[in-house]
Amino acid sequence: GIQVEQSPPDLILQEGANSTLRCNFSDSVNNLQWFHQNPWGQLINLFYIPSGTKQNGRLSATTVATERYSLLYISSSQTTDSGVYFCAVDTGRRALTFGSGTRLQVQP
Amino acid sequence: GAGVSQTPSNKVTEKGKYVELRCDPISGHTALYWYRQSLGQGPEFLIYFQGTGAADDSGLPNDRFFAVRPEGSVSTLKIQRTERGDSAVYLCASSLSRQFSGANVLTFGAGSRLTVL
Repeated sequence: GIQVEQSPPDLILQEGANSTLRCNFSDSVNNLQWFHQNPWGQLINLFYIPSGTKQNGRLSATTVATERYSLLYISSSQTTDSGVYFCAVDTGRRALTFGSGTRLQVQP
Repeated sequence: GAGVSQTPSNKVTEKGKYVELRCDPISGHTALYWYRQSLGQGPEFLIYFQGTGAADDSGLPNDRFFAVRPEGSVSTLKIQRTERGDSAVYLCASSLSRQFSGANVLTFGAGSRLTVL
């Protein structure tokens, strides 16, 4: 099956800093979604972005499908951004496959 | 309902016992998914329903695991003869259909934490 690798595995930031999270995948995909899992375990969809660029407030995401990677940008980070960020992809043949995530801690 | 509801939120059981976990998806969502998440890992796919039928059960680890969705809404994940290795958070998600888009993304419930002693 498709392989999904996320980097870095862990990230510690000071409040106000910017960061870039990366997701590499091993096959062509027709679906890519980014999720945030808060410290209480709830997974929330951030973006549906199989290709191109989208922005939502301080977050933006870019997927370069031809090169099989996606980037999630967090600007002016806040303590509420803490948690785990997951990239999930599928090729249309089965359900979403998740990466192992990037654990982000934003310190005040 | 307004969101995906999962019960129980926590379940502690003894090795060898039978367990049922329930998922109530968002009203009108035809696609329903079960995932399992172990500590420090990403969610791992178990099974996907389109309507009442299991469209893909390739993620079920063995025949102790079974899931149903008899009326195309509520789903139950059933685990027989539980083992300590089954301890994890079991996540349910739903979507309008299998065709994802900006208006149709995967929505997760809060999960059921299963602990097998």
